[in-house]
Amino acid sequence: DQQVKQNSPSLSVQEGRISILNCDYTNSMFDYFLWYKKYPAEGPTFLISISSIKDKNEDGRFTVFLNKSAKHLSLHIVPSQPGDSAVYFCAASGSRLTFGEGTQLTVNP
Amino acid sequence: DAGVIQSPRHEVTEMGQEVTLRCKPISGHDYLFWYRQTMMRGLELLIYFNNNVPIDDSGMPEDRFSAKMPNASFSTLKIQPSEPRDSAVYFCASSLASGSTDTQYFGPGTRLTVL
Repeated sequence: DQQVKQNSPSLSVQEGRISILNCDYTNSMFDYFLWYKKYPAEGPTFLISISSIKDKNEDGRFTVFLNKSAKHLSLHIVPSQPGDSAVYFCAASGSRLTFGEGTQLTVNP
Repeated sequence: DAGVIQSPRHEVTEMGQEVTLRCKPISGHDYLFWYRQTMMRGLELLIYFNNNVPIDDSGMPEDRFSAKMPNASFSTLKIQPSEPRDSAVYFCASSLASGSTDTQYFGPGTRLTVL
């Protein structure tokens, strides 16, 4: 039972445009959500997070939106840069972290 | 700090052989996690330790998998006997605490191929 799902395995955008990565979850007990970024041959690194008491958190070019009623969160990257090309994992926290399958983002110059 | 260290980075073995993956967490971190990454399931938590004690091993796929943490600076994940379906990237991560807001720091992973 995949409690955290990223339905788009890949996304391709043009440099300078907005990238929107989506994530859905099923467990209403999750109270904290995170995004991790992973480059090839490296481990995932923490990018941004949001508590369930908020609906938006912004850090520079990265913004995470949380819609609790829809059990949906999204990561917006604007403007997108070629260096943002990586796999992005959504994660949800209850008693432990549960990760999604990941979305490969490719930003084309 | 050198970050989380994993070895080997790549492992190729034949079905039936024993495989041992190693991890050195960040000094001072009380929690250590073992994950497996596959295309179909993404990052799956296999087991985690708190102060060297296994807390939750419900993610360990079957009895062929075992993990130990003999001291605060070393952990192993062992697969015996290995099978082709065990082929994946295995990550070790550590954190100061396991609370919701605590960032986990991942190692570079071990890419395991079982032929």
